[in-house]
Amino acid sequence: DTAVSQTPKYLVTQMGNDKSIKCEQNLGHDTMYWYKQDSKKFLKIMFSYNNKELIINETVPNRFSPKSPDKAHLNLHINSLELGDSAVYFCASSQVNRYGYTFGSGTRLTVV
Amino acid sequence: KQEVTQIPAALSVPEGENLVLNCSFTDSAIYNLQWFRQDPGKGLTSLLLIQSSQREQTSGRLNASLDKSSGRSTLYIAASQPGDSATYLCAVMNTDKLIFGTGTRLQVFP
Repeated sequence: DTAVSQTPKYLVTQMGNDKSIKCEQNLGHDTMYWYKQDSKKFLKIMFSYNNKELIINETVPNRFSPKSPDKAHLNLHINSLELGDSAVYFCASSQVNRYGYTFGSGTRLTVV
Repeated sequence: KQEVTQIPAALSVPEGENLVLNCSFTDSAIYNLQWFRQDPGKGLTSLLLIQSSQREQTSGRLNASLDKSSGRSTLYIAASQPGDSATYLCAVMNTDKLIFGTGTRLQVFP
């Protein structure tokens, strides 16, 4: 029933590792996003995809690579993890960019 | 560049009070404005969405207003309850992305 689902919910990993976060939406929306919430709780957009096409890439390091196999899925792969990557990553979706966003429950990434 | 500010940053009130949370934005060319609630360690729950052509939206004890020309929105919470304790986030839709404010952390005590 979950509209936007992310896995895993928690991720603890060592510096230098590579990890992926998966996101799926069953709302039929055409646009999906990744947002990062830092330690001060500020939410900032990282990427957006519309029908599998990259629309927004907000000066995110190249170590972050989104992939959208179809319009219902948007995954985030992170290479060579650094301490500063520790944050909560939220996936979201919307329709036509003019209606409300629906967010997933977030993935709390801790790099040690 | 769009900037969204929320005042106050934190608010602590006794149960039963009526509250007003403020949100201001610098670029009035928005498609819509959305209010969210975030509980500690949880995701974002959408509360209200106001399209740019609308002035307000209501849901239960919540009422959100939008004054696009002055770059302001308010979220009014009537008869606050301890269960309303959370962080409230305002976000504006600009062209192709949702831009968030800094949030207001609300605590309602019995």
